Amino acid sequence: QQQVKQSPQSLIVQKGGISIINCAYENTAFDYFPWYQQFPGKGPALLIAIRPDVSEKKEGRFTISFNKSAKQFSLHIMDSQPGDSATYFCAAGGYGYSTLTFGKGTMLLVSP
Amino acid sequence: EAGVTQSPTHLIKTRGQQVTLRCSPISGHTSVYWYQQALGLGLQFLLWYDEGEERNRGNFPPRFSGRQFPNYSSELNVNALELEDSALYLCASGQPERMEQYFGPGTRLTVT
Repeated sequence: QQQVKQSPQSLIVQKGGISIINCAYENTAFDYFPWYQQFPGKGPALLIAIRPDVSEKKEGRFTISFNKSAKQFSLHIMDSQPGDSATYFCAAGGYGYSTLTFGKGTMLLVSP
Repeated sequence: EAGVTQSPTHLIKTRGQQVTLRCSPISGHTSVYWYQQALGLGLQFLLWYDEGEERNRGNFPPRFSGRQFPNYSSELNVNALELEDSALYLCASGQPERMEQYFGPGTRLTVT
């Protein structure tokens, strides 16, 4: 019940395209869903997060879509740039849970 | 505002040795979380400290331990090092009621 499943494992997108990464969770008590971006040799950086009271949250080129009934959420990167090439992790957590449960990560490569 | 800092950046140890990793949280954060990121395995939760107490631990053996000091900085100790302990060890800080976790750059541990 604690798992977060992330797909795809890797993704290649052309510059200017839309990158889409999906996650599914099992624990209905989770109410906090962040996305992290990690560059090689660096720690993960908090990118954007959503709570289930909204179905979408947008910050710049990054959008989280959330489907509570399906227990799924996704990250959309609009106008993808080579500088977006990184590993992206979704996570889930909630009040009363000690920490976040992370997906396995998606390696994104944006080709010039 | 200074971010989460970790030291050292890199470590090379031999099987059977002991190691101590250090983490300083963002000012105002009372919680410190430790994660292990081994190649291809995503982020695995190790330990959570808040207000000087160990609040929870992940599925790791007792040779992984740590503590949190009155200034909220933290140490992670790993005894009897094994080859499979080679990984990036990440520290994150936050305020537990807000759920956000902010990561440091990590300590790369290599066990030979």
